[in-house]
Formats: sequence, C-alpha cells, structure tokens
Amino acid sequence: QKEVEQNSGPLSVPEGAIASLNCTYSDRGSQSFFWYRQYSGKSPELIMSIYSNGDKEDGRFTAQLNKASQYVSLLIRDSQPSDSATYLCAVGILTGGGNKLTFGTGTQLKVEL
Amino acid sequence: ETGVTQSPTHLIKTRGQQVTLRCSSQSGHNTVSWYQQALGQGPQFIFQYYREEENGRGNFPPRFSGLQFPNYSSELNVNALELDDSALYLCASSPTGPGVSEAFFGQGTRLTVV
Repeated sequence: QKEVEQNSGPLSVPEGAIASLNCTYSDRGSQSFFWYRQYSGKSPELIMSIYSNGDKEDGRFTAQLNKASQYVSLLIRDSQPSDSATYLCAVGILTGGGNKLTFGTGTQLKVEL
Repeated sequence: ETGVTQSPTHLIKTRGQQVTLRCSSQSGHNTVSWYQQALGQGPQFIFQYYREEENGRGNFPPRFSGLQFPNYSSELNVNALELDDSALYLCASSPTGPGVSEAFFGQGTRLTVV
C-alpha cells in the first residue's frame, strides 16, 4: 500500500472553474500536510500547509484536512491556465529522531481556455 | 532573503563514477533535506541534516552520503553511480530543527548517468 496516494490525472477543468485535488495517506501518525505545485522541468513550490482538521484558505487556494478519514484536499477557485501543473501532496512524518516528507506521485492539472 | 540554491543545475556522469551535489540553505534555515525525484514520480526522501548531524534517513543505500557545514550549507555525495541514479536531486531547507515544518526547495540538480 502506497503511503500517500493521489490520482495521477490528468484532471482537466475549464478556465474559471474550481479544481479539486485529493490525497489519502496511510500513516495515522502523520502530523502535517502540504501541497506543492511543480511545473514541468522545475522544482516543487510550496503553496499550502495545513496542520489541523478543517479548512485553510489562502487566496484562491483552500486546503482541507480530515485526519479521521486520512484525507487531504486542495481546492483551486477561479482556475487559470497558469495553474496548469502537477500538484504534489506531501505528508510530514516524524521518524526516529528525524522527520521526512512523503510525497504522492502528483496529480496533473490542465486548465483549458 | 535568499532562497535555496543548488549547484550544478545539470550534470552528466558515467556509471561507476562519484558525484557531489551542493546546496545553500535559505537564510535563517538550519535544517536541510535531500530528495531524489525520478521522472513521473514524487520526490523520495534521502536524508536530513540538522546541526551538522544526519537526522533521519530514507531507504537509500550507504553509497548515498552527505554533509552539513557550520553555515548550514550541505553536500550530497553518491558513489559508484548506477544508471538508476539518473534523477532530479532536490535540496529543501526548513526554518526549525527536528519536527515537522515547511520545506522550501531549491531548483534541483538534474543528474544523468550514462
């Protein structure tokens, strides 16, 4: 069983629509949750972090966390062509004196004109 | 405030050779982590350094090693390169010590092993 799972997509949405990206994780000890955006050939860019159950909003982005269901989501409102990228879900796990981020394989988002 | 910088940006090596990748952490960040990202995959955690000590390691063989310097910069060394080591190597810095916190990535080093 993969530790962090995402639908690889591509997820296609029209410009101006809401894009909904989902992620599930297996380790109940996970403590923090992140969404990164990665353009082709570039490195991941942090766009959202969330640490407690509920919603967290930042501009057009809303992250949602449900620890009981082991589920994280990212909503992008008023999607723009510039939002077309791969979105990586990352889960922070403390391991024996250290910590690491475990990433999903990413969901490719395409925003169409 | 300067961001995370990595060098070189691209590198081609022959199987069996050794390589050293470098990372300068973001100002004020004392924790550096290294990740390997193969094509079409998410980044995989290699190891983390905090206060010049290794502070957590992923499922990578000992030929992957690292260092952190007093100025918090870091190196990743890979010995006996294999074709499967071809990947994007990412350095990420965090503003706190051990514990879960936000990580910011450098632009990465694209390593090709031939």
